[in-house]
Amino acid sequence: SQTIHQWPATLVQPVGSPLSLECTVEGTSNPNLYWYRQAAGRGLQLLFYSVGIGQISSEVPQNLSASRPQDRQFILSSKKLLLSDSGFYLCAWSGLAGAHSEQFFGPGTRLTVL
Amino acid sequence: GESVGLHLPTLSVQEGDNSIINCAYSNSASDYFIWYKQESGKGPQFIIDIRSNMDKRQGQRVTVLLNKTVKHLSLQIAATQPGDSAVYFCADKTGNQFYFGTGTSLTVIP
Repeated sequence: SQTIHQWPATLVQPVGSPLSLECTVEGTSNPNLYWYRQAAGRGLQLLFYSVGIGQISSEVPQNLSASRPQDRQFILSSKKLLLSDSGFYLCAWSGLAGAHSEQFFGPGTRLTVL
Repeated sequence: GESVGLHLPTLSVQEGDNSIINCAYSNSASDYFIWYKQESGKGPQFIIDIRSNMDKRQGQRVTVLLNKTVKHLSLQIAATQPGDSAVYFCADKTGNQFYFGTGTSLTVIP
């Protein structure tokens, strides 16, 4: 069965510090991968998605970046965090484009920037 | 749907009553629709899905209705239980991308 992991679960970082959140998927090959951010009491904001290694589509211009160094690894990074980067970060995967496959979400990372 | 920046609407129901959560989508090319349940501090969990060639699908205590004419999706929960309290999101899929609705916060009153 497929499993998606995210770490860390919670993170408190000072403004201006770097960020690296990691997401890995098990039990599937060539998944589409996604990073979302969710502010408290709000909906899901798509940040990045990837259809393959090294292929990243950015949905919202910001100080975050994403990378996909391996098929089942998706990393969210920042060189300098802002207060507005605080939120709940969710990684998700889905099947190939065109397939009627839902997204499966990871447990999320709660990021607080102070 | 587009949910960024919007506060969640809320719905309160008595335990045992039926709940109906509504969602509107904008892309007529969307061909696949999903409902998710998100409990506090957790990632969204799949509840039920429906393809665009259907207008109704039933699961265990849940039914999804799709009206493509008005681009409307609804989730019906029968005999709502306290464990159903959560935020519910609809999503529509076009190509590789999923578009999430605002989300509705459901509170079940014992």
